[in-house]
Amino acid sequence: DIQMTQSPSTLSASVGDRVTITCRASQSISSWLAWYQQKPAKAPKLLIYEASRLGDGVPSRFSGSRYGTEFTLTISSLQPDDFGTFYCQQYNSDPWTFGHGTKVEIK
Amino acid sequence: EVQLAESGGGLVPPGRSLRLSCAASGFTFDDYGMHWVRQAPGQGLEWVSGIFWDSRSVDYAGSVKGRFTISRDNAKNSLFLQMNSLRVEDTAFYYCAKESLYKRGLFESWGQGTLVTVSS
Repeated sequence: DIQMTQSPSTLSASVGDRVTITCRASQSISSWLAWYQQKPAKAPKLLIYEASRLGDGVPSRFSGSRYGTEFTLTISSLQPDDFGTFYCQQYNSDPWTFGHGTKVEIK
Repeated sequence: EVQLAESGGGLVPPGRSLRLSCAASGFTFDDYGMHWVRQAPGQGLEWVSGIFWDSRSVDYAGSVKGRFTISRDNAKNSLFLQMNSLRVEDTAFYYCAKESLYKRGLFESWGQGTLVTVSS
C-alpha cells in the first residue's frame, strides 16, 4: 500500500498568513493526488485534484503543487472560513490512501 | 445538486451485522463508481470499499475483506454496505462517496455520514 505522510499535524496561523501543508508519498503516484478540507462534524470537501487543479467553487487562494513525490497545499492568504482539517489522498493505485491530516486553527 | 444520504448506522455488539444504505440524487447514479470511506471518532479517513458503475468490479480494504460486502441497486439509486462479524475497531462514521468520471479513486462528493458503534 502507498503511505502518505503529511506535515505538520497541526498549525495555528493568523488571518492573512500564507499557509503551507506538505504531503509525501512512499512511492511515485504521478500527479494523482487530491486535497480535501473537513470541518468539524461535516463531510470532507474536495479542494484540489491532480495535484494542482481546483475543485468546483474552490477559492483561488488555494493552490497545489508537486515536486516528485512531495506535494504541497498552499493557502495564499488565510481566511476565517479556512479552519478545519486538511487531508491529502493518493488515487494512483488501489487501495486509495489518505494522509493523517493537518488541523488548521485560526489565531 | 448532488446529494448522498447515508442511513443504517447504530449501536451493535461485536460479532453482529449491520447494513448501511446510501440514497443518491442529483446525478445519473449508474454512470458513476461509488465508495465507502470511514472515519473513527477523532481520527483520519480510511477508504473501505468501492464498486464500479455496473457492479462488475468491487474492491475492499484489507481490514474489511471477507467481512464486508458492497453492492448497489442502480434502479433505486442506492449503494449498500453489508457489514458482518463487526469488531470494536469498525466503530466509525461511514461516508458514501461519488467517484469522479475523470479518474478512479477520486472522491468528488461525499454524504454526511452515518455512525456505527460496535460495543458490548
